[in-house]
Parts: sequence; C-alpha cells; structure tokens
Amino acid sequence: NAGVIQTPRHKVTGKGQEATLWCEPISGHSAVFWYRQTIVQGLEFLTYFRNQAPIDDSGMPKERFSAQMPNQSHSTLKIQSTQPQDSAVYLCASSLQENTEVFFGKGTRLTVV
Amino acid sequence: TQTVSQSDAHVTVFEGDSVELRCNYSYGGSIYLSWYIQHHGHGLQFLLKYYSGNPVVQGVNGFEAEFSKSDSSFHLRKASVHWSDSAVYFCAVTGTNTGKLTFGDGTVLTVKP
Repeated sequence: NAGVIQTPRHKVTGKGQEATLWCEPISGHSAVFWYRQTIVQGLEFLTYFRNQAPIDDSGMPKERFSAQMPNQSHSTLKIQSTQPQDSAVYLCASSLQENTEVFFGKGTRLTVV
Repeated sequence: TQTVSQSDAHVTVFEGDSVELRCNYSYGGSIYLSWYIQHHGHGLQFLLKYYSGNPVVQGVNGFEAEFSKSDSSFHLRKASVHWSDSAVYFCAVTGTNTGKLTFGDGTVLTVKP
C-alpha cells in the first residue's frame, strides 16, 4: 500500500497559467478529499467526493478552481489563471468511508510567480 | 458553524516530560474529534479519534486524548515525550453527516533533549 499519491510534489507556474494537480487515492477508499495548507490560513477544506460523485465543494474558490474524479483511481484539482495567492500546499486525502481514518498524501507545493 | 481552537501555538518541553496539547471545539450536532500529526515537510498522519463511549481514547506512539462534553474539549496527552514527537499537532472536528474535517491552527511541539 503506497498510500495516497500526489503528483507533482512541486509545481511552479507563472501568474495567469493553469495548474493541474493529481491525486491517486488508496485503492478501495470511497471518500476523496482536497485541502489547502498555508501559513496564514492553515488547513482549509476545499472539496470532497464519495464514490466519485462530488458531495461538498463549499471550500472551493468559485471562479478558477475545479475538481474532478473521472474514475475511482484518480482525482484532479485544476486551477485556472493562477494567482500568487494560490501558492500553497495542496493536500489530497482518502478514507474508506466518511468518518473513518483519513489518510493524507504528502502534498503538492504550488508556487505561483 | 464549526470551529476548533488550539490555544497554544507553541509548546516546548524536555524529553521525558509529560505534555498536554489543548483543543476546544464548537459544533452544533454529533461529531467526531480527531488529532493529526505533521512532521516537517510531510503530510498529516492520523493519531486518534473519538466518537462515543469511553472519553479517553488511545492512539499511536503512546498518545491519548480525553473528550469532555461539558468543556467542549478534546485535549491530547502523552506521559513521556521523545525528541521524535517534535512536530505540529492538529485537532480536527467533523460532523457525523459529512466527511469534511475542520482543523485548528495547530500546535508546534518542540521536544528538547
């Protein structure tokens, strides 16, 4: 079990460019989550899926962020027209079901220059 | 609205000391409470969780936490810390009808030799 895999580990984009972050949850886990971590805001919930269906995207900035889960083995978080304030560590996590132990990936550090 | 408060941003102890990291929460409804640890440069790792039953729950590496409904608290304790326990500790709450975790700001634990 390799755990939750996130790629790339580091990404640098220019302001205005698009960034796509990838996540491979643990096999068999039905719930997949995205969080963002910054020094200023701490850990912020973005969105989550259950059995690939979007359940709660209340934390997603509405205009430029989108998340998809096209199959049970991967999820993507896409940020269009990246801005410096999007710089953060984006964490993907999965759990067998909601409210069971959540396993986090190592994160993708996004830097927008 | 659910909130989690970790009143101590930094705690410093010596190896072998006991430690208590404080967590208070506000949530209207049934909840799960959990603690996570994040070593520098790594993702979050689950330590323990409480939902119901015995208010003292045991976690990995000798950690335990005690739930108090009257105090709205879920403090984390360890009887004898090791230098490798130096990390950031996050308390989190989630409602029983959602998988979304709301985190506190974290407590940086430094264990001196």
